[in-house]
Amino acid sequence: DIQMAQSPSSLSASVGDRVTITCRASQSITSHLNWYQQKPGRAPKFLIYAASRLQSGVPSRFSGSGSGTDFTLTINSLQPEDFAIYYCQQSYTTPYTFGQGTKLEIK
Amino acid sequence: EVQLVESGGGLIQRGGSLRLSCEASGFTFKDYWMNWVRQAPGKGLVWVSRINEDGTYTAYADSVKGRFTLSRDNAKNTLYLQMNSLRVEDTAVYYCARGPRMAVAGTWYTWFDPWGQGTLVTVSS
Repeated sequence: DIQMAQSPSSLSASVGDRVTITCRASQSITSHLNWYQQKPGRAPKFLIYAASRLQSGVPSRFSGSGSGTDFTLTINSLQPEDFAIYYCQQSYTTPYTFGQGTKLEIK
Repeated sequence: EVQLVESGGGLIQRGGSLRLSCEASGFTFKDYWMNWVRQAPGKGLVWVSRINEDGTYTAYADSVKGRFTLSRDNAKNTLYLQMNSLRVEDTAVYYCARGPRMAVAGTWYTWFDPWGQGTLVTVSS
């Protein structure tokens, strides 16, 4: 199975900050990398597919990059509603696997 | 509005069986792969199973292979997850999620969107 590792596991930031979350795959997944946001008690929300393509309706302050094994999710100008847990997920092959999550907290 | 509504969760003893359902609306159900993803209390997301559009192909996580069976009824716009020989470690919120696919520069990509609200399965010892 392909292992996905996110860093950091948690992150404190302020409204208006720029933050970057890293996701590393245990083998090349080319660009088959998705990102999700999850708030407490809610289902995950899909943000980005194919490593860098923003889902319709997702604010442009979110961006993704990377290919192969190393990927990043960047959030520019953090808004209060962005504080949540973020997961990366590889869709290169089954079993599909997720990173362990990055909890983004308000400083 | 695209919507997925899960049902069938509950409290069950170890070794028992449950069948989860996921009713879809707002889109052409028969045109999409569908998935189940679970989340144990306070833990991360774990993919469980996937089924193709006509139900002829399924894939499972090793942890549920041989115990869980995924099926669909396209006439009823409903996805089913039959869970047998349940273990305490199967305790989780189970989400169904649509699996759209898109070709980008000749390569097919897939993801999970949208997700249902989830149904809680609790397996007691």
